Amino acid sequence: GDSVTQMEGPVTLSEEAFLTINCTYTATGYPSLFWYVQYPGEGLQLLLKATKADDKGSNKGFEATYRKETTSFHLEKGSVQVSDSAVYFCALMNYGGSQGNLIFGKGTKLSVKP
Amino acid sequence: NAGVTQTPKFRVLKTGQSMTLLCAQDMNHEYMYWYRQDPGMGLRLIHYSVGEGTTAKGEVPDGYNVSRLKKQNFLLGLESAAPSQTSVYFCASSPRRVGRTDTQYFGPGTRLTVL
Repeated sequence: GDSVTQMEGPVTLSEEAFLTINCTYTATGYPSLFWYVQYPGEGLQLLLKATKADDKGSNKGFEATYRKETTSFHLEKGSVQVSDSAVYFCALMNYGGSQGNLIFGKGTKLSVKP
Repeated sequence: NAGVTQTPKFRVLKTGQSMTLLCAQDMNHEYMYWYRQDPGMGLRLIHYSVGEGTTAKGEVPDGYNVSRLKKQNFLLGLESAAPSQTSVYFCASSPRRVGRTDTQYFGPGTRLTVL
């Protein structure tokens, strides 16, 4: 079945460091890909998304490019801030195999130190 | 708009007790979902609904029941709670599918402990 694998955390960075959180997926067909963020004590919020190969999603300085050849959707940010401390979830939605429901990775906790 | 709200925010149950979690959305969304979040497991889909009066099983439906009597509400019931159901429960909603982007909007969560 469809699945998402993301790098295990926690990830601890200093402020202004470069961030990469790896995400790879397994799915039949052409899924849409998402990054959600969960701040402490809150629900999940959509951070960015991409619906087809080579699309780049971006928001709040974060970027991710849909790479079908490597089945990846890595999250990057050039300069992280303390306020970026959160748990980040990679997810896919496959309109064929998984009935159009979101499949989540296990999440990666990011802590940014001042 | 309040978005997606969940009631209650916290609850402690004893094994065998029953309870209902309420999810409400004011965005006129067709689809609603219930997830559970466990450490190291990400979010797993329990049940979902594609419209008023309809429900379907997700990845981990055992021990839970749901109802969608009104479009804006989606109830999750535990008939006989077990310690394995200790978790954080999230409700989400999304609009009717248009094209290939389906953003789900999440509630703040309900933290349930079963002793």
